[in-house]
Amino acid sequence: KQEVTQIPAALSVPEGENLVLNCSFTDSAIYNLQWFRQDPGKGLTSLLLIQSSQREQTSGRLNASLDKSSGRSTLYIAASQPGDSATYLCAVTSSSNTGKLIFGQGTTLQVKP
Amino acid sequence: DAGVTQSPTHLIKTRGQQVTLRCSPKSGHDTVSWYQQALGQGPQFIFQYYEEEERQRGNFPDRFSGHQFPNYSSELNVNALLLGDSALYLCASSLPRGRVNTEAFFGQGTRLTVV
Repeated sequence: KQEVTQIPAALSVPEGENLVLNCSFTDSAIYNLQWFRQDPGKGLTSLLLIQSSQREQTSGRLNASLDKSSGRSTLYIAASQPGDSATYLCAVTSSSNTGKLIFGQGTTLQVKP
Repeated sequence: DAGVTQSPTHLIKTRGQQVTLRCSPKSGHDTVSWYQQALGQGPQFIFQYYEEEERQRGNFPDRFSGHQFPNYSSELNVNALLLGDSALYLCASSLPRGRVNTEAFFGQGTRLTVV
């Protein structure tokens, strides 16, 4: 059974810092991995999608990497800003079952001015 | 380009009642999935619809049912509401497996409170 874990559960950093959010999954047979952002009480905004054949994806100040063999993904945020404060969720779809996303519990990030 | 839209945004129901939530997928998407997100947790998969049929189901009781219409929009129905059904219900749309890009896009959610 695929399980997704995100550590830490919460993170507080001063503005301008570069930071890394971690996501691990137990079954390396994934179809893709997606990172989302969620503001309080709101829906999910897709940040980056990494196909199983890819090692990383970049969008602006965000860079996500994928290491299938070790069951890990990281989301790197450069030069953090207070507007980056939100909960970040990673989710995987399995190769054998691409119909559903399996989510971690998220990392809540606070960037202090 | 309209993204995924859900209605209503908030809803308060009494225990034992029934509720219907609605979702319109992103333009060009024909697959709709529903998720339940309890406070402080990651979303949990309820079921997925494609070609107007339920294709997959998560570990949710039969009180949770759905429907997909020919225009790809979808409904989630929950019968005999329990206090534990209080959650944010999220709809996601995507292209089905086998397409080039299966990225999932989510709506803003419906906050259901059962009292």
